[in-house]
Amino acid sequence: AQTVTQSQPEMSVQEAETVTLSCTYDTSESDYYLFWYKQPPSRQMILVIRQEAYKQQNATENRFSVNFQKAAKSFSLKISDSQLGDAAMYFCAYRPLNTDKLIFGTGTRLQVFP
Amino acid sequence: SAVISQKPSRDICQRGTSLTIQCQVDSQVTMMFWYRQQPGQSLTLIATANQGSEATYESGFVIDKFPISRPNLTFSTLTVSNMSPEDSSIYLCSVLRALAGETQYFGPGTRLLVL
Repeated sequence: AQTVTQSQPEMSVQEAETVTLSCTYDTSESDYYLFWYKQPPSRQMILVIRQEAYKQQNATENRFSVNFQKAAKSFSLKISDSQLGDAAMYFCAYRPLNTDKLIFGTGTRLQVFP
Repeated sequence: SAVISQKPSRDICQRGTSLTIQCQVDSQVTMMFWYRQQPGQSLTLIATANQGSEATYESGFVIDKFPISRPNLTFSTLTVSNMSPEDSSIYLCSVLRALAGETQYFGPGTRLLVL
């Protein structure tokens, strides 16, 4: 079965510092998509970043970047220069190519301290 | 990205009643989905809303409990029937547009509390 594991229920970071959220997944597929979504207290799920498995280059979106290790099935999210507005639940999600369904991890709650 | 709205944004309901949640998208989309997020939990897919035909339900979810309609390419409803306190959750719709790549975009969610 395809699963997504986020081993850090909670993380905290000082404003302006860098934090890394971990995510591992289990799949026998070779092509798939990986996503990080952010859910602030407003509960709106917001796409942070996505990665196609066939691309070796790690995706980057402004202060957000990923470390995609396909062989290790690892997909961590790095947030640089953390801001108070980054405080939220972060969900890692996996989607195989042959389906439209997203499989979510259990989430990591990120706190940002001034 | 797509602009997605959901109504109601929140509701408090009595046990045994039903609630219909609406999801409206600002443009035509290929796929629409309904998720449930129980308190403190991750998202679980309830079903895929199919335009003009019956929804496709995931294991553990049935049409009698969660009837879904999708009359066109921009609108879907989810009904939570015969509610119990265990149905207290956030219900989110999401959409997938073929031309926008493979990213699902989510609505703001409906927070439901069943007493």
